[in-house]
Amino acid sequence: GENVEQHPSTLSVQEGDSAVIKCTYSDSASNYFPWYKQELGKRPQLIIDIRSNVGEKKDQRIAVTLNKTAKHFSLHITETQPEDSAVYFCAATSGSRLTFGEGTQLTVNP
Amino acid sequence: GAGVSQSPSNKVTEKGKDVELRCDPISGHTALYWYRQSLGQGLEFLIYFQGNSAPDKSGLPSDRFSAERTGGSVSTLTIQRTQQEDSAVYLCASSPQLGWGYGYTFGSGTRLTVV
Repeated sequence: GENVEQHPSTLSVQEGDSAVIKCTYSDSASNYFPWYKQELGKRPQLIIDIRSNVGEKKDQRIAVTLNKTAKHFSLHITETQPEDSAVYFCAATSGSRLTFGEGTQLTVNP
Repeated sequence: GAGVSQSPSNKVTEKGKDVELRCDPISGHTALYWYRQSLGQGLEFLIYFQGNSAPDKSGLPSDRFSAERTGGSVSTLTIQRTQQEDSAVYLCASSPQLGWGYGYTFGSGTRLTVV
């Protein structure tokens, strides 16, 4: 089955800096890669996703890149703000379901 | 409904008791998933349903866990003879359909505590 690894497990940045979270996947058939943000005590919410026919996607301060050859994808957050502090999960399709990474705790210090 | 609804939001039960967790997906979503999230951990797949097809139960950790989905809508996850290691947040999610390019919408979860 699919295996998704996510790094780093914790990330601390200063407000205004950029943050990058990286994930690798094992199943070359995976074709959909969403990212979820989970604030403390709340549900995971989809923030951006990318399909395998696209190499990069951007939505305001958030961008995701995909390298199918290397089987890795990354989340980039620019001009970080304190409200970006949360746990971020990457995921990849595995058959008919998503397999999630272990999560990254992002802390943005004012 | 407007979102995925789960009940109860919190459940405290004694070890050895049975519990039922309920999920009401977004209207029209044919795919429904159950995940488990232990404290500070990632999302562990349990089971999914797609329409009238047989569910994929490959993630259920033991035969104490079972789930059903009636009428292609509401789902119930049942844990029999609960153990302390069952304590976790149980998340339900739904999707318009299985497969390529359809992200999940999660419910708020049920926090289960086994004492």
